Amino acid sequence: EADIYQTPRYLVIGTGKKITLECSQTMGHDKMYWYQQDPGMELHLIHYSYGVNSTEKGDLSSESTVSRIRTEHFPLTLESARPSHTSQYLCASRKGLGTYEQYFGPGTRLTVT
Amino acid sequence: DQQVKQNSPSLSVQEGRISILNCDYTNSMFDYFLWYKKYPAEGPTFLISISSIKDKNEDGRFTVFLNKSAKHLSLHIVPSQPGDSAVYFCAASAANTDKLIFGTGTRLQVFP
Repeated sequence: EADIYQTPRYLVIGTGKKITLECSQTMGHDKMYWYQQDPGMELHLIHYSYGVNSTEKGDLSSESTVSRIRTEHFPLTLESARPSHTSQYLCASRKGLGTYEQYFGPGTRLTVT
Repeated sequence: DQQVKQNSPSLSVQEGRISILNCDYTNSMFDYFLWYKKYPAEGPTFLISISSIKDKNEDGRFTVFLNKSAKHLSLHIVPSQPGDSAVYFCAASAANTDKLIFGTGTRLQVFP
């Protein structure tokens, strides 16, 4: 089983606040991903990274930003939270070439009031 | 345009019986398929996968079947157990891409 951690698990915050969702993995995986998921919907890729100093936007446009300064750490930041950002945010990592399986963290449930 | 479709939002099965979850895809470039299981307030957990060079892969109670000509795959769980109650997501990936495309999920409920 993969070791990938996300904090906080739940966050309720007011409009306009800056937030950072943390994601860390201890497996040394190069590839990391952020997904956004609403109830009853598919997971949408919003950011991914191939390694340190590599970040790309995903298929779903997002106002969030990410950074990858260390292999194990892939935080996501929202500069000014809005109610439309209310969702579940899932972080995942993948070993690399030859494998397609992504391993997910427990997610952060974000509510913006 | 949704490339991976799970047309049944929910499925209810009696304990001990077979659960069959279905998934259809439209992109002929997909060559690897995965099933994930998700409990509420948790992240998805990888269950089983299949490459397009195979038509069946089995792991314990879980078997995935792939019909490339129909662009259809299914997950069979037998026998079903109450702990299998969760949302199941189908995902697909094309060669030389690093992305997974997910379906909308099917909620499975296994009752005693």
